[in-house]
Amino acid sequence: DAGVTQSPTHLIKTRGQHVTLRCSPISGHKSVSWYQQVLGQGPQFIFQYYEKEERGRGNFPDRFSARQFPNYSSELNVNALLLGDSALYLCASSRFQGFEQFFGPGTRLTVL
Amino acid sequence: DQQVKQNSPSLSVQEGRISILNCDYTNSMFDYFLWYKKYPAEGPTFLISISSIKDKNEDGRFTVFLNKSAKHLSLHIVPSQPGDSAVYFCAASDTQGGSEKLVFGKGTKLTVNP
Repeated sequence: DAGVTQSPTHLIKTRGQHVTLRCSPISGHKSVSWYQQVLGQGPQFIFQYYEKEERGRGNFPDRFSARQFPNYSSELNVNALLLGDSALYLCASSRFQGFEQFFGPGTRLTVL
Repeated sequence: DQQVKQNSPSLSVQEGRISILNCDYTNSMFDYFLWYKKYPAEGPTFLISISSIKDKNEDGRFTVFLNKSAKHLSLHIVPSQPGDSAVYFCAASDTQGGSEKLVFGKGTKLTVNP
């Protein structure tokens, strides 16, 4: 079975631009979570969606938004990019609430 | 305020010996704990988990121990292999909190020398 997939792999943007990151969960998984990982730190929780509803939001500004589609894939949107948004963005999926989360390879975002 | 702490940024062990990675947490609401392994340019890979109703969970070479009174958990890898060289993250969750939010430590880089 295919694991969690994310696109694109790498992305370079300039300050003030907008970015959309995409994630496809493991088949059968209904929960998708997004994390941001900056160099030298552990992943930091941004959002969780389960059955297309937002179930959790981390301590990120309103410039960050997300949604989940009927096929359980998800998008993370970031507006008005700042240099500090440069990071690895990870998507994770799980079968039900509370089960182990399985991560995709991430999207490396660089903001210049 | 870091709720999950991995105080050793790095650990080096010889192949065949035991690797012990430690993790401390401060939030008493955490009731589910996980260990992930991460290679460069890849996402974290789930290794093993433990619920707060247990104090030990084993899976092959990997064993996780939980000491709730000390708010401490550890991952034991026996025997260590060069392929185990990676960054290991401890993560914790409050499963009654309504979301699947995982809180991660900063990671410990394990190097297993042949």
